Amino acid sequence: NAGVMQNPRHLVRRRGQEARLRCSPMKGHSHVYWYRQLPEEGLKFMVYLQKENIIDESGMPKERFSAEFPKEGPSILRIQQVVRGDSAAYFCASSALGNEQFFGPGTRLTVL
Amino acid sequence: SQQGEEDPQALSIQEGENATMNCSYKTSINNLQWYRQNSGRGLVHLILIRSNEREKHSGRLRVTLDTSKKSSSLLITASRAADTASYFCATDSLTQGGSEKLVFGKGTKLTVNP
Repeated sequence: NAGVMQNPRHLVRRRGQEARLRCSPMKGHSHVYWYRQLPEEGLKFMVYLQKENIIDESGMPKERFSAEFPKEGPSILRIQQVVRGDSAAYFCASSALGNEQFFGPGTRLTVL
Repeated sequence: SQQGEEDPQALSIQEGENATMNCSYKTSINNLQWYRQNSGRGLVHLILIRSNEREKHSGRLRVTLDTSKKSSSLLITASRAADTASYFCATDSLTQGGSEKLVFGKGTKLTVNP
């Protein structure tokens, strides 16, 4: 049973470009969470999704950031018009309802 | 305000010694979890303790939870150089749908010197 998969592992973008981060949850998990980690900081919650629904996006910046978890395929975190402050590690976690969250290896985004 | 604050922020010990890290939180929780993160890597789940539990063991790890003081501790016994990592506590915060989002502290950076 493969764990949570994230790709790419490293992503470099220039200011103004778009970044797309993908997360495939563990088999049987229908809940996906996205977290962001700035250097020397803990993880900060961004958004919680179930299939085709955003349940809680209270941690998402209001502009430029969006997330989806379609019926088929991975969850996508999309950042439009990236700025240097978006440089961070983005982690995805998945769970079955009410259970422990399992984390992926993260995507390290660098904005030049 | 920040939930799940760890202390100390950094801890340096010799191999074989015990390492104790503490975590305090502010609001009521269902569960508290400890995670480990090696430099530049993902998070590894260490242990989950529920609000009705007071102590839990897993190998060389011992976690305590005091809900009256809103605090938890993680003890690593007989530490090894390979235990060098950052350790985070994470508390749950109920969202809609019955599944919890996690709130992390800034972590304790543990260095175990050979």
